[in-house]
Amino acid sequence: KQEVTQIPAALSVPEGENLVLNCSFTDSAIYNLQWFRQDPGKGLTSLLLIQSSQREQTSGRLNASLDKSSGRSTLYIAASQPGDSATYLCAVKLSAGANSKLTFGKGITLSVRP
Amino acid sequence: DAGVTQSPTHLIKTRGQHVTLRCSPISGHKSVSWYQQVLGQGPQFIFQYYEKEERGRGNFPDRFSARQFPNYSSELNVNALLLGDSALYLCASSKTVLSATEAFFGQGTRLTVV
Repeated sequence: KQEVTQIPAALSVPEGENLVLNCSFTDSAIYNLQWFRQDPGKGLTSLLLIQSSQREQTSGRLNASLDKSSGRSTLYIAASQPGDSATYLCAVKLSAGANSKLTFGKGITLSVRP
Repeated sequence: DAGVTQSPTHLIKTRGQHVTLRCSPISGHKSVSWYQQVLGQGPQFIFQYYEKEERGRGNFPDRFSARQFPNYSSELNVNALLLGDSALYLCASSKTVLSATEAFFGQGTRLTVV
């Protein structure tokens, strides 16, 4: 059974700091990994999608990397801003043969202090 | 273009009642998935539908059911509501059920069972 872990559960940083959010998964036979942002009480906003054949993806100040062999992904946020405060979730999709459901971690709640 | 739309946004029901939640996918998307997110946890997979057929089911009791209509919109039904069904219910749409496709989520329906 695939398990996704995100540690720590919460993180507080001063504005302007570069930071890394970690995600680990137990079954390396994933098809892709997706990072989402969730504001309190809201739905999920897709940030980055990394296919299993890729090592990283970039969008603006965000960079996500994937290491399938070690079962890890990181989301790098450059020059953090108060508006980045939210919960960040990673989710993995298993390889072909399974239905294309996403298995999520519990998320990391980020607070960026002005 | 409109994103994934869910209705209603909030709902309060009494134990034992029945509830229907609705989802309209992004135009051109043929797959809809439902997830349940309880406070402090990551979303858990409930159902996936593609071309009006069920393609996947998570570990939820038979009180949960869903269907997809010819226009690809979907309904999630929950019978005999329990207090533990209180959660944010999220709908995700994707173009196909192929593992490579990206999932896009709606804003969710907040269900409170009293």
